[in-house]
Amino acid sequence: EAGVAQSPRYKIIEKRQSVAFWCNPISGHATLYWYQQILGQGPKLLIQFQNNGVVDDSQLPKDRFSAERLKGVDSTLKIQPAKLEDSAVYLCASSLEGGSGQFFGPGTRLTVL
Amino acid sequence: DAKTTQPTSMDCAEGRAANLPCNHSTISGNEYVYWYRQIHSQGPQYIIHGLKNNETNEMASLIITEDRKSSTLILPHATLRDTAVYYCIATLENYQLIWGAGTKLIIKP
Repeated sequence: EAGVAQSPRYKIIEKRQSVAFWCNPISGHATLYWYQQILGQGPKLLIQFQNNGVVDDSQLPKDRFSAERLKGVDSTLKIQPAKLEDSAVYLCASSLEGGSGQFFGPGTRLTVL
Repeated sequence: DAKTTQPTSMDCAEGRAANLPCNHSTISGNEYVYWYRQIHSQGPQYIIHGLKNNETNEMASLIITEDRKSSTLILPHATLRDTAVYYCIATLENYQLIWGAGTKLIIKP
């Protein structure tokens, strides 16, 4: 069974630039999550989708971050414009509706200079 | 979500059982205990979860106390590849996970 796919794996940008991350969840998983993980900390949930609807985006900095999940499968997370403090690993996870756990992708490591 | 408390770090000898404790004294009756681990430079990996009863799978065993205020994750025969940060999370099933700092487990040869 293929896992959660993310791209790119690494991205380096300058502050005020824009960046987008892509996630393809495990086939059949209705729920998709985006997390931000700063070095030395646990992941922090940014947004949770159920199919193509948003369940929780309370911790998403909406002035600069946006996410969508068109057709209820793939998802993109965008940052525009990026700040230095956005340097982190961005993790995508998916789970079955009524499933037993979340399955994570390898993450995208973002460095903002 | 109930808050969990874990030791910052632990060591274990290769081949021995690694026992990772977690306190969740404010857990509510319908909150599950989930365990994940994160190997360096990888995404977190689901290990196991449980509500009341002890659980076992191919990776680990989860022992939950009768009052549900604490639990222990057991890796029966630790290998060097089990070196990782282990997270204990108490939450409703299919609800969001709120992550602490976890326990850094180092398996020593």
